Amino acid sequence: DTGVSQNPRHKITKRGQNVTFRCDPISEHNRLYWYRQTLGQGPEFLTYFQNEAQLEKSRLLSDRFSAERPKGSFSTLEIQRTEQGDSAMYLCAGSPGGSSGNTIYFGEGSWLTVV
Amino acid sequence: DQQVKQNSPSLSVQEGRISILNCDYTNSMFDYFLWYKKYPAEGPTFLISISSIKDKNEDGRFTVFLNKSAKHLSLHIVPSQPGDSAVYFCASRTTQKLVFGQGTRLTINP
Repeated sequence: DTGVSQNPRHKITKRGQNVTFRCDPISEHNRLYWYRQTLGQGPEFLTYFQNEAQLEKSRLLSDRFSAERPKGSFSTLEIQRTEQGDSAMYLCAGSPGGSSGNTIYFGEGSWLTVV
Repeated sequence: DQQVKQNSPSLSVQEGRISILNCDYTNSMFDYFLWYKKYPAEGPTFLISISSIKDKNEDGRFTVFLNKSAKHLSLHIVPSQPGDSAVYFCASRTTQKLVFGQGTRLTINP
């Protein structure tokens, strides 16, 4: 158990619709990350939170993407006006702070298929 | 620009033998390196890591070697077992985030 839960695990949506993914890390994970993985590629960094503060965003995160972590606990990733190119696995990961913070632990991922 | 590269998309190894997975990086600012294992439809699972101040770290059947001058790391699995069949990703850390390679699919043959 990595201490990171994601839902939904699978989502099929029509192009142009909005989708939202949720991530629930254990309280020890004060850092929270979102990554995206497409077939044949490694995970690509999207954004990162330290508690409730969004500290870094990748240029991959277009203005159709928004992520929040309102109380420093759970996080949501919303994609507006989905496109077929958004089809991927969206991975949430958590990391504790301090000397244990070198490793990040991934949830099981949320698959998005845009048709 | 691909800062972390795994040049072998796949590797096939006989059960009981040693599996060696390789990874090269370009950014000398990376200070921590990790290996993850991934099964289909699951998130990556952390395996082993190494700090840039070390050249070797061992955990059971898994050993990671780091050659800073060559900007190269490798993961050794010995002996290889059928359950090791998965995709392996190396990752390098910079400014609190990880940069991943493209992955190597390891198949262990009985």
